[in-house]
Amino acid sequence: GAVVSQHPSWVICKSGTSVKIECRSLDFQATTMFWYRQFPKQSLMLMATSNEGSKATYEQGVEKDKFLINHASLTLSTLTVTSAHPEDSSFYICSAGPYEQYFGPGTRLTVT
Amino acid sequence: RKEVEQDPGPFNVPEGATVAFNCTYSNSASQSFFWYRQDCRKEPKLLMSVYSSGNEDGRFTAQLNRASQYISLLIRDSKLSDSATYLCVVNSFSSGSARQLTFGSGTQLTVLP
Repeated sequence: GAVVSQHPSWVICKSGTSVKIECRSLDFQATTMFWYRQFPKQSLMLMATSNEGSKATYEQGVEKDKFLINHASLTLSTLTVTSAHPEDSSFYICSAGPYEQYFGPGTRLTVT
Repeated sequence: RKEVEQDPGPFNVPEGATVAFNCTYSNSASQSFFWYRQDCRKEPKLLMSVYSSGNEDGRFTAQLNRASQYISLLIRDSKLSDSATYLCVVNSFSSGSARQLTFGSGTQLTVLP
């Protein structure tokens, strides 16, 4: 299957700082990538659809000014959590794929 | 009503047992269906796609009933390594050819020795 990587795998940051998460497709080009968030014991919730060369599409209730998405190339999308707060602590996962969606290994963010 | 609903679980079964998971979806225009498994603190991994004719992959059998908007997964001769959360996943199309997925809340399976 297709390979998607994410970096970092985990990060701890202080409240008020910003954190950037990278999602890369390693063996295919992805015009679209998806960003999800998963809280403990809950399912994945789609946050936004990242479109190469254009603005991301955000799901209802997701603040676009807080979760900045940049999809500057066909193999890289970044999610920046700006002014992070403890309630932003979660497991962030990206996905991409030519047909089935393959997931990156996820980034566990802890905001203290 | 949730777009994708699954058995709440958890399921605790002995090794060798057969276990079945059910799932219903609300969007009749959905085109593609999948089962993913997710291990604790890991990303979801594709287990199998689900086709209208039903499909089997070793000990795993998936069924789709479009009329009832119902999907199932059957695991035979369950192994300890099958312990995970199983996610029923349905697609809705986004722009281009990429698929936007909607996830069920997952059913937790624990296979006991």
